[in-house]
Amino acid sequence: DAKTTQPTSMDCAEGRAANLPCNHSTISGNEYVYWYRQIHSQGPQYIIHGLKNNETNEMASLIITEDRKSSTLILPHATLRDTAVYYCIVRATNAGNMLTFGGGTRLMVKP
Amino acid sequence: DGGITQSPKYLFRKEGQNVTLSCEQNLNHDAMYWYRQDPGQGLRLIYYSQIVNDFQKGDIAEGYSVSREKKESFPLTVTSAQKNPTAFYLCASSLRHDSYEQYFGPGTRLTVT
Repeated sequence: DAKTTQPTSMDCAEGRAANLPCNHSTISGNEYVYWYRQIHSQGPQYIIHGLKNNETNEMASLIITEDRKSSTLILPHATLRDTAVYYCIVRATNAGNMLTFGGGTRLMVKP
Repeated sequence: DGGITQSPKYLFRKEGQNVTLSCEQNLNHDAMYWYRQDPGQGLRLIYYSQIVNDFQKGDIAEGYSVSREKKESFPLTVTSAQKNPTAFYLCASSLRHDSYEQYFGPGTRLTVT
């Protein structure tokens, strides 16, 4: 699986959009981009995933560049409860279901 | 409520003792997983099971053992051979081994002294 690079930490003001970047320059054609988040001392939670097209659900939006070498997770109106570590993961569909969690980005939403 | 339960939330053991961590799911998922997380780090896969009576080693299986005798249960034993067992242990499940979403339990924090 391709590796990802994320900033170690980011701050965001409450009510503003949080834009979390992820680089995956070695991504292969059959690899999806997944985002999970982990609130302190809890299990990770799935947020969203995509292959080529931009995706949106009730939690977030995922913007994938045309060359697929990077993506951005957008939380449109961040709240204090969005403070968490956000993991960007790339995984091929034929790789069983192995998720490789790197260090992630620690997002701090501030009042 | 459907979900994954792990017990206990905190566990303390003396060095040299084996300890078994519980993981139960009532989601009717085929696949189950065990991860380890050290402070400030990401998750690392210990073992996974795609179906009952089958399991495979993950990236850091040494010093651990598992069983999958029932679909809903996937206990993890941390043996005395595990050199640094103190960690946060997370269990997860997914509908099938190739499903896009894994559901995680609340975790067990194991401290060995």
